Amino acid sequence: GNSVTQMEGPVTLSEEAFLTINCTYTATGYPSLFWYVQYPGEGLQLLLKATKADDKGSNKGFEATYRKETTSFHLEKGSVQVSDSAVYFCALSRPGTGRRALTFGSGTRLQVQP
Amino acid sequence: DTAVSQTPKYLVTQMGNDKSIKCEQNLGHDTMYWYKQDSKKFLKIMFSYNNKELIINETVPNRFSPKSPDKAHLNLHINSLELGDSAVYFCASSQDQQGARGHGYTFGSGTRLTVV
Repeated sequence: GNSVTQMEGPVTLSEEAFLTINCTYTATGYPSLFWYVQYPGEGLQLLLKATKADDKGSNKGFEATYRKETTSFHLEKGSVQVSDSAVYFCALSRPGTGRRALTFGSGTRLQVQP
Repeated sequence: DTAVSQTPKYLVTQMGNDKSIKCEQNLGHDTMYWYKQDSKKFLKIMFSYNNKELIINETVPNRFSPKSPDKAHLNLHINSLELGDSAVYFCASSQDQQGARGHGYTFGSGTRLTVV
């Protein structure tokens, strides 16, 4: 079946530090891959996505590259801010038709200290 | 505002009660979902409807019953509430069944259910 594995948190960084949150997946075929962000007390928001191998999704300074050879979609940001503190979820969607929903990883909490 | 809106935001109730959570989206999406988020933030799909048709029904106690009167609404009714039902419940919608096209899923802000 499909699954998404994320690094356990919390990840605690100082402001302006470099961020990497690892995500690997297991799926048949060529899934679409997503990163969602959940700020305290809010619902999830789509941060970025990639729909095929070697695609790079980017938004708000965050980037992730779809690596089929390593089945990974690691999230990176060059310089984090306190306002980036949130829980980040990696997710995948299997291609094709049929009855399926997004499969989410367990989430990684990021805490950025001033 | 275009959005997915859930009510209520907070719900505290006693064991054994029956309660409902309502969800509405004005995005024109065809597919809606209910997810349960536990205390460790793990998200698990419960149900999905596409144009009022139930398309995903995961292993969920039959005390949980979704109802979709039209494609813009997906409500969740829970009978005989138990302590283990305490969680945050998220409604979401998408343009297509996988959310792979367009902007993925749009989530509501969640309903925090506490059963005492």
